[in-house]
Amino acid sequence: GNSVTQMEGPVTLSEEAFLTINCTYTATGYPSLFWYVQYPGEGLQLLLKATKADDKGSNKGFEATYRKETTSFHLEKGSVQVSDSAVYFCALNSGGYQKVTFGTGTKLQVIP
Amino acid sequence: GAVVSQHPSWVICKSGTSVKIECRSLDFQATTMFWYRQFPKQSLMLMATSNEGSKATYEQGVEKDKFLINHASLTLSTLTVTSAHPEDSSFYICSAELAGGLNEQFFGPGTRLTVL
Repeated sequence: GNSVTQMEGPVTLSEEAFLTINCTYTATGYPSLFWYVQYPGEGLQLLLKATKADDKGSNKGFEATYRKETTSFHLEKGSVQVSDSAVYFCALNSGGYQKVTFGTGTKLQVIP
Repeated sequence: GAVVSQHPSWVICKSGTSVKIECRSLDFQATTMFWYRQFPKQSLMLMATSNEGSKATYEQGVEKDKFLINHASLTLSTLTVTSAHPEDSSFYICSAELAGGLNEQFFGPGTRLTVL
């Protein structure tokens, strides 16, 4: 079956630090990959996505590249801000109205 | 585009009562919607897949008689928590998949249920 593994948190960084949140996956076929962000007390928001190998998803300074050879989709940002503090979920979807498989989430806390 | 709403955003109820949560796709049609449950500091757990005009498909361990799902139209799915108990207190999130939308699901903002 499908699975997503992401690094455990919490991750605490100082403002303007470099961020990496690791995510690896196991899936049949050719899944689409996603990063979702959940701010305190809110639902999930799509942060970025990639639908095929070597695609790079990007949004709000965050980036992730679909690496089929390493089955990874690591999230990166060059300079984090306090407003980036949230829980980040890596996820995949194998397609055709399939359910989304989520990682366990990584809490990011950015301190001034 | 592709906005999903939920109502109510939060609800407090007494033990033993039933609570209905609505999930609507505001600007697109969704033949399939999904209901998730999220416990504090945990990931989302899929409860069921809701298909328009047919019975929902429940994940293993989810009581279908307790969590009633109705998907009466292409833009509305409802989750009713029947005879709620304090252990049902949780954050319930729905999502809808855009037909032909490259497998992307759009999530509602969630409903916080507290059972006293």
